[in-house]
Amino acid sequence: AQSVTQLDSQVPVFEEAPVELRCNYSSSVSVYLFWYVQYPNQGLQLLLKYLSGSTLVESINGFEAEFNKSQTSFHLRKPSVHISDTAEYFCAVTGGTSYGKLTFGQGTILTVHP
Amino acid sequence: GAGVSQSPSNKVTEKGKDVELRCDPISGHTALYWYRQRLGQGLEFLIYFQGNSAPDKSGLPSDRFSAERTGESVSTLTIQRTQQEDSAVYLCASSISGTGGYEQYFGPGTRLTVT
Repeated sequence: AQSVTQLDSQVPVFEEAPVELRCNYSSSVSVYLFWYVQYPNQGLQLLLKYLSGSTLVESINGFEAEFNKSQTSFHLRKPSVHISDTAEYFCAVTGGTSYGKLTFGQGTILTVHP
Repeated sequence: GAGVSQSPSNKVTEKGKDVELRCDPISGHTALYWYRQRLGQGLEFLIYFQGNSAPDKSGLPSDRFSAERTGESVSTLTIQRTQQEDSAVYLCASSISGTGGYEQYFGPGTRLTVT
């Protein structure tokens, strides 16, 4: 069985500050890792994903995440956040016999203050 | 192009009644998923359809829950004899394939409230 733990339920930051949203997973097999984002009053959408290759993956709006196999982590970072980054962020994993269906963490609400 | 659509967007029902939730996936997507999100919790997998294969029903919480999919198109999630703990947002997603880490595209969800 797989599981995902997002260590922070809420993260408040000021605009232009750096942020890290933490995600740890548990799996006995190779995994694919995802970050999804849900902006206020919008549906869930993919932010970035790790399938294989380079352990550092980036999104088009400046977020990045690094797959760390030894620490079973996939933390999401941004060096300078904007008000528009305010949203709920979900880390998810799939792999092994569970390929296809996603196991999600409980979500982290990022609130960016001016 | 059109995304994943779900109907109704909101449903209020009395305890003990049956409800049907509908999902229209993106055309050409062979994989379809149902998840639910209860208040303050993450998304919980319910069921997964991949082409003509037998669905993965491992996430259905009880035999009151069932789902069908017509070919590679519309899917219906049915909850019989609803209970208050069934109150949640039910999300449908589709992807080109269920393997290989393809992106899942989510619909807007159906908010179910059982009174």
